[in-house]
Amino acid sequence: EPEVTQTPSHQVTQMGQEVILRCVPISNHLYFYWYRQILGQKVEFLVSFYNNEISEKSEIFDDQFSVERPDGSNFTLKIRSTKLEDSAMYFCASSPDQGYGYTFGSGTRLTVV
Amino acid sequence: RKEVEQDPGPFNVPEGATVAFNCTYSNSASQSFFWYRQDCRKEPKLLMSVYSSGNEDGRFTAQLNRASQYISLLIRDSKLSDSATYLCVVNELGSGNTGKLIFGQGTTLQVKP
Repeated sequence: EPEVTQTPSHQVTQMGQEVILRCVPISNHLYFYWYRQILGQKVEFLVSFYNNEISEKSEIFDDQFSVERPDGSNFTLKIRSTKLEDSAMYFCASSPDQGYGYTFGSGTRLTVV
Repeated sequence: RKEVEQDPGPFNVPEGATVAFNCTYSNSASQSFFWYRQDCRKEPKLLMSVYSSGNEDGRFTAQLNRASQYISLLIRDSKLSDSATYLCVVNELGSGNTGKLIFGQGTTLQVKP
């Protein structure tokens, strides 16, 4: 079964540092997403990406966040200057079409200290 | 009002029991509905889509009532392996929305021997 792959599985970073979270979506999928889940809370939408541009973003996705699909396979989330409250599980997801349930990657646990 | 609302539980049931989860959503324009399963500190995994006509997948039955904005999941003959958090998820399409998923906070199920 095709998978969405995320690396690293766990990253610890100091406050103020930049982090890049990486994802390889399923190859024939067209829509890409980042979600996050703070421990004990619900999964929250961050951003959607289609046709090489951001389609929609949430209020959480401020100027500190950016996404990129640099080479047609990888899909990255960058946080420029991490804050303690950015500590969460970050999930990448992809979908062949908007109306389908998505396939999620196994997530990157980001810990900001 | 929360966009997708679920009883967090936990629901503690014996093996073999039948258990039902309910969910309500606030956006009447929502177009696709899903149940996802999430194990502790893992990614959400699609359990099943939910249709107005009702749909069944083995021991799992899902139902959607658009008029009441209500979604249900029934699990028959519970197994120990069904222990997880069940996420009610709504996909909001249209009006430029790229189909972001809105998650409920999840209902925790513990199946005991």
